[in-house]
Amino acid sequence: NAGVTQTPKFQVLKTGQSMTLQCAQDMNHEYMSWYRQDPGMGLRLIHYSVGAGITDQGEVPNGYNVSRSTTEDFPLRLLSAAPSQTSVYFCASSPIAGPTFYNEQFFGPGTRLTVL
Amino acid sequence: KQEVTQIPAALSVPEGENLVLNCSFTDSAIYNLQWFRQDPGKGLTSLLLIQSSQREQTSGRLNASLDKSSGRSTLYIAASQPGDSATYLCAVIPPGGYQKVTFGTGTKLQVIP
Repeated sequence: NAGVTQTPKFQVLKTGQSMTLQCAQDMNHEYMSWYRQDPGMGLRLIHYSVGAGITDQGEVPNGYNVSRSTTEDFPLRLLSAAPSQTSVYFCASSPIAGPTFYNEQFFGPGTRLTVL
Repeated sequence: KQEVTQIPAALSVPEGENLVLNCSFTDSAIYNLQWFRQDPGKGLTSLLLIQSSQREQTSGRLNASLDKSSGRSTLYIAASQPGDSATYLCAVIPPGGYQKVTFGTGTKLQVIP
């Protein structure tokens, strides 16, 4: 099992550019999510999905789009990058959205994004 | 709104010392609480998941306790080693599930050889 994988590891964009951060998991997890991590702040939820074809907004969704056409993949799209989107982005998955006992989240290695 | 606080933000201890990391939360209506480890430039690795009905959970040199009534969880690390150096994060999962999870800002631990 590769677990949760993310590409790219690093990315530099100019203001206004668009790009897609890729996330994939091979554990057949229903629930997938995207977080951003900024200095001095806890991880904040951007978007999440409870299954293929079902997505919803988290705490900080503005400027981001997601889709989930398969169970395995959950890409995050930045429509028009802004310096405020400079951050480290993490994808995570869990068997279900929960809550149930023993339902842990598994995280990818992250994508470090800089917007100039 | 749930608030999760981890104090101190950074901690430096000599190798071999036993230590306690703290996680405080304001809303006691939680379902699970999860402790993670984050190494520099890496993702989060789950250490322990403690259920709201449990008082503690153990894995090797790690022991996590949970006191919902006081809004507090602690992560105890026995006989610390330089390899334990990392940032430790706690996450509070409410009855609403992971869609409503709240993370603390973490404690950066340095274990000095």
